[in-house]
Amino acid sequence: DIVLTQTPLSSPVTLGQPASISCRSSQSLVHSDGNTYLSWLQQRPGQPPRLLIYKISNRFSGVPDRFSGSGAGTDFTLKISRVEAEDVGVYYCTQATDFPKTFGQGTKLEIK
Amino acid sequence: EVQLLESGGGLVQPGGSLRLSCAASGFAFSTYAMSWVRQAPGKGLEWVSTIINSGGSTYYADSVKGQFTISRDDSKNTLYLQMNSLRGEDTAIYYCAKPKAGTWLDFDYWGQGTLVTVSS
Repeated sequence: DIVLTQTPLSSPVTLGQPASISCRSSQSLVHSDGNTYLSWLQQRPGQPPRLLIYKISNRFSGVPDRFSGSGAGTDFTLKISRVEAEDVGVYYCTQATDFPKTFGQGTKLEIK
Repeated sequence: EVQLLESGGGLVQPGGSLRLSCAASGFAFSTYAMSWVRQAPGKGLEWVSTIINSGGSTYYADSVKGQFTISRDDSKNTLYLQMNSLRGEDTAIYYCAKPKAGTWLDFDYWGQGTLVTVSS
């Protein structure tokens, strides 16, 4: 199985400051079709997960442009340019390149 | 607008069974693979199962293989998860998820979830 390791697991951030979460995969996430199916999810307290970023760097519909994704191969990053109060929650990276679909452990973003 | 509405969760005794349903709308359900993902209380996300189409291609996590059965009724736009021999470690919120077009596992929409509690 593909193991996704996120760092940090907790991230206290000041409002208006940037935040960054790393996701490292145990193997390349490049699919045989040439795409890299690495996504980022946001889960606000008491809510289901919500797609933020797909295929490394594509923002999903309605996602603010302060969220961005980057990376390649086995190393990926989610960045929030200026954290807002509504960004509090847990962020997961996840891969859809191969079965079984796997998720990172989650990174809890909280406001200092 | 895509909508996924899970139902069927509840309290069940160890060894019991439950069938979860996910009613889908707002997209061409029959043309999409569909999946279940669960989240134990206070824990992370765990993929459970995927059904590719009504032709029967299914995939399961090792933790539920032989215990859970995924199915779908395209005439009703509904996804199911039959859960048997339930154990305490199956306690979780169960979400159904729809993938982006042309993919099987690249989820773009999630339901609100239904809580399954296995306890005596």
